[in-house]
Amino acid sequence: GAVVSQHPSRVICKSGTSVKIECRSLDFQATTMFWYRQFPKQSLMLMATSNEGSKATYEQGVEKDKFLINHASLTLSTLTVTSAHPEDSSFYICSARDRNRGSNQPQHFGDGTRLSIL
Amino acid sequence: KQEVTQIPAALSVPEGENLVLNCSFTDSAIYNLQWFRQDPGKGLTSLLLIQSSQREQTSGRLNASLDKSSGRSTLYIAASQPGDSATYLCAVYGNQFYFGTGTSLTVIP
Repeated sequence: GAVVSQHPSRVICKSGTSVKIECRSLDFQATTMFWYRQFPKQSLMLMATSNEGSKATYEQGVEKDKFLINHASLTLSTLTVTSAHPEDSSFYICSARDRNRGSNQPQHFGDGTRLSIL
Repeated sequence: KQEVTQIPAALSVPEGENLVLNCSFTDSAIYNLQWFRQDPGKGLTSLLLIQSSQREQTSGRLNASLDKSSGRSTLYIAASQPGDSATYLCAVYGNQFYFGTGTSLTVIP
C-alpha cells in the first residue's frame, strides 16, 4: 500500500536552531502534500498545503517565514522550522495525496515528527 | 468554517464490550469522512473511509456509519480488545481535512 515516510521521527534541539523535517511519498507521486501540527491532547490542525513547483498555501495564523515549506519534487516536501523556540515544540505530521487518484480518495499520513525545543 | 466534534472525549470499557464513538460536523458539503487511530506519540492509521454517497463501511470488528444530512458519523467497535486502546480521530474532507479532537479509548483486560 501507499506509504509516506517522515523523517526524523524525533528532534531535540536548542532554542534558535532551525530544524528541517522531510516528508516523502515512497510509491506514488504527490502534487499536493499537507503539513499538520498537533499539540498535546488536541487534534491535528492544518498548517499549510504544499504544492509541487509552486508556493505553499498557509492557513490563517501560520507564519510563512517561520515555517518554510519546499516541495521541489513530486515525492518530497520539507518543512523547516526556522529559529525554533520552546513554543514551537509540537508533533508535526505530513500527508500526501496520490496525483493519480481523485481528490476524494484518502490521503496517506506520515508517522509524525516530535519536535522538542529546549 | 467546518467544525468537527467527537464525543466522548475519553472512554474506558472492559474487554469484550461493544462500543460506539460519535463524530459530528457542521458543514455537510464533504467529499468523505475518515476514521483514524492514533497511538501515543505516533502518526495516524486509517481505519475506514466513507464516501459522501455511502452510508457505512465495515472492516473486521469495525463499522462506521455516515449520515451526511444530520452531520453525524459513528464508529462501532465490536468485542473490544486491549489492543484497541488508542485515540480515535474522525476527519471530514471537503477542500481540506478537518479533524475532530479525538476519543481516547482504554480497553481494560
